Amino acid sequence: SQQGEEDPQALSIQEGENATMNCSYKTSINNLQWYRQNSGRGLVHLILIRSNEREKHSGRLRVTLDTSKKSSSLLITASRAADTASYFCATSPWGFKTIFGAGTRLFVKA
Amino acid sequence: EAGVAQSPRYKIIEKRQSVAFWCNPISGHATLYWYQQILGQGPKLLIQFQNNGVVDDSQLPKDRFSAERLKGVDSTLKIQPAKLEDSAVYLCASSPGGQGGENIEKLFFGSGTQLSVL
Repeated sequence: SQQGEEDPQALSIQEGENATMNCSYKTSINNLQWYRQNSGRGLVHLILIRSNEREKHSGRLRVTLDTSKKSSSLLITASRAADTASYFCATSPWGFKTIFGAGTRLFVKA
Repeated sequence: EAGVAQSPRYKIIEKRQSVAFWCNPISGHATLYWYQQILGQGPKLLIQFQNNGVVDDSQLPKDRFSAERLKGVDSTLKIQPAKLEDSAVYLCASSPGGQGGENIEKLFFGSGTQLSVL
């Protein structure tokens, strides 16, 4: 079974706009990660946030984590056509597994 | 630093045939994962190794799938016999594992093997 569920399933925006994706999960976690997957390629790690952190930034990416609501959001600011990809959240319950959600498909129109 | 290597890149077989995938993780990475990704879905963990021991294989269909990690380095995933529903991309990933450090849990993925079962 999948731990994380992303919302929305698909998102289409104009270049320059911000994109926000959400992830909800079911059990307590050690950390939450976001990955990007371009079509036909492997996944690339974007950012990791630990359970004792509330917000983290990396370039144009901003991730928040609310452990009381068991949810996280990924914000991509000033999106570019090259940001077109699928985005997955991955959670690590206390233990060793890393479990992925179903993903959000982002399409950025030039 | 070389990335995670996987081969073959593509494989087409008929149902009931056998197939094997190979993965060479990043040098020094203790943890190795095999994921199955069906089109339009997220990756599903099949098996996780810590060095050459199995940490989790709860979602591995053991009647047809097997995996090994020789000497705690390379790994092979085998399907015998294949079914139509095994058509998917098989992703190998590795992570440093161990204790401490910023990126011990960060997964590095290979490009995957796309399997089509006809």
